[in-house]
Amino acid sequence: DSGVTQTPKHLITATGQRVTLRCSPRSGDLSVYWYQQSLDQGLQFLIQYYNGEERAKGNILERFSAQQFPDLHSELNLSSLELGDSALYFCASSADRGQKLFFGSGTQLSVL
Amino acid sequence: AQTVTQSQPEMSVQEAETVTLSCTYDTSENNYYLFWYKQPPSRQMILVIRQEAYKQQNATENRFSVNFQKAAKSFSLKISDSQLGDTAMYFCAFMKHLGGTDKLIFGTGTRLQVFP
Repeated sequence: DSGVTQTPKHLITATGQRVTLRCSPRSGDLSVYWYQQSLDQGLQFLIQYYNGEERAKGNILERFSAQQFPDLHSELNLSSLELGDSALYFCASSADRGQKLFFGSGTQLSVL
Repeated sequence: AQTVTQSQPEMSVQEAETVTLSCTYDTSENNYYLFWYKQPPSRQMILVIRQEAYKQQNATENRFSVNFQKAAKSFSLKISDSQLGDTAMYFCAFMKHLGGTDKLIFGTGTRLQVFP
């Protein structure tokens, strides 16, 4: 158990819909990262938050947004979903720069 | 921009044997971190080993060790005494030391099959 909690584990929805993925980092970790893993794109960095503030953006679509709350949990919002958004979405957390990233078990999103 | 290349899409090894997975990276940074992550069929991402670029000594974690060649920008993973539970996808990853984000940049992975 990495200590990073992601909910839900599975999500099935239809095109055009909006979903929210939730992540609770390990106790004490200030950084939260979101990654998307798909068969054709591999592991893609989406966005990072550090202590409530956005630190970096990667290949995140405009239809996607995220935030980190004062209690340090984070949510990734995906809207106007398309078939191509089907993927495994990981959240990871770390304590400090250069430290190990610990990954949650992921949310498998299926857009039908 | 940094890139990570894993040139072996698939590898196989017999139980109890040794296997080496290759990874090369491209960066202009002098200080950085390198990682190997394992993703078994459960799809959980599990940290295998971490290397600090400013340390010349190769990192070791039980049966897992790395061969870090900074000048060649090479970071291979050696698995000794392979076990069936080592069957997984292995990802090499790079992290900057200073400046901006400390996100991980991943390679495309090597699928390792350990057979009896």
